Amino acid sequence: AQSVTQPDIHITVSEGASLELRCNYSYGATPYLFWYVQSPGQGLQLLLKYFSGDTLVQGIKGFEAEFKRSQSSFNLRKPSVHWSDAAEYFCAVGAQVGRSGGYQKVTFGTGTKLQVIP
Amino acid sequence: GAVVSQHPSWVICKSGTSVKIECRSLDFQATTMFWYRQFPKQSLMLMATSNEGSKATYEQGVEKDKFLINHASLTLSTLTVTSAHPEDSSFYICSARRSFGELFFGEGSRLTVL
Repeated sequence: AQSVTQPDIHITVSEGASLELRCNYSYGATPYLFWYVQSPGQGLQLLLKYFSGDTLVQGIKGFEAEFKRSQSSFNLRKPSVHWSDAAEYFCAVGAQVGRSGGYQKVTFGTGTKLQVIP
Repeated sequence: GAVVSQHPSWVICKSGTSVKIECRSLDFQATTMFWYRQFPKQSLMLMATSNEGSKATYEQGVEKDKFLINHASLTLSTLTVTSAHPEDSSFYICSARRSFGELFFGEGSRLTVL
């Protein structure tokens, strides 16, 4: 079974500073990896995803993430944080299904709450 | 991007009553829909996976008789919380995807059972 660990429950950064949110996964095969953002009382919005190919993926709102198989990590980064980035961020892994590809079950990490100070 | 809509966005009910939450994919046909539950300040826990026209697959520990899931069409799945109790109060989120496509999430439905 797959699992996701987000070691940082809460992170505070100054506006304009760089950001890195950590994510480690456990899965026996090639994972499908995702980062989602959730504003208070809202659903989830996909920031970016990794299925295969280039290990550095670009997402929306200036976010990027790098898949490192050797470290089982998929850390999310942003060079300059904006106050509107304050939210909760979830890393997720999708388990591959069958030989035809695709993923089925998606497991979420416990989330990292980002606070941005002026 | 694709839109998934949940209704109602919030509901308050009395203990012992049943509540139905709808999840609709507005601009695509969703072969698979997922229902998640999120407790305050916690992550999303997958409750069940539903494929159109077949019975839902429930995760371990989720009572299938309490959380009834119906996926009658490619654009609609419903979650019915039967005989709701205060411990069922939570944020319920659905997601939908095309065949092997990315997941799109609804806005969530907050259930409060008095």
